[in-house]
Amino acid sequence: ETGVTQTPRHLVMGMTNKKSLKCEQHLGHNAMYWYKQSAKKPLELMFVYNFKEQTENNSVPSRFSPECPNSSHLFLHLHTLQPEDSALYLCASSKEGGGVGSETQYFGPGTRLLVL
Amino acid sequence: GQNIDQPTEMTATEGAIVQINCTYQTSGFNGLFWYQQHAGEAPTFLSYNVLDGLEEKGRFSSFLSRSKGYSYLLLKELQMKDSASYLCAVRDSNYQLIWGAGTKLIIKP
Repeated sequence: ETGVTQTPRHLVMGMTNKKSLKCEQHLGHNAMYWYKQSAKKPLELMFVYNFKEQTENNSVPSRFSPECPNSSHLFLHLHTLQPEDSALYLCASSKEGGGVGSETQYFGPGTRLLVL
Repeated sequence: GQNIDQPTEMTATEGAIVQINCTYQTSGFNGLFWYQQHAGEAPTFLSYNVLDGLEEKGRFSSFLSRSKGYSYLLLKELQMKDSASYLCAVRDSNYQLIWGAGTKLIIKP
């Protein structure tokens, strides 16, 4: 238990569906992240929110839409996905600005997504 | 480009010692992290190095040489529960984490 929760843990969706992934952190952190993890590949950073402001968007297709209503919650809205989007989606949080070494990222258990 | 290299897979015996290497080429350096990830679970933080040398934490130690762009994670007295993937990540000059693909460690009895 890392203090970061994600729901759902598993999701199967068709290419025409709309779904949302939810992440919540209970660590008092001020930055939250979405990562995509595919088999045998490095973690791919998708979005970063720092103090609720989006600071990174690493060329992610518009079919992925993030939302950060407050510093504890993060959503990833999904629509018209492709089969190649099937992966593990990980949420992480950290405390930025607290000095060197304090920016360790803590991860949630992930959502295993399968797009048919 | 930025790159993190680590072996894809390693096998070791219960009770033994294993060293997992990580080499990096990044634009700037602001610390190196090691994470452990069991299959189907979240990556969990193991260690952080920002200065050269060895950091010891129980059975796990992590070493850094900034001049060589090199780190290793040393696991002693291996247990079956240490079977997992080990991820190396470097924080670059923009404070963004650059990740390796991970090393899958298989422990045999």
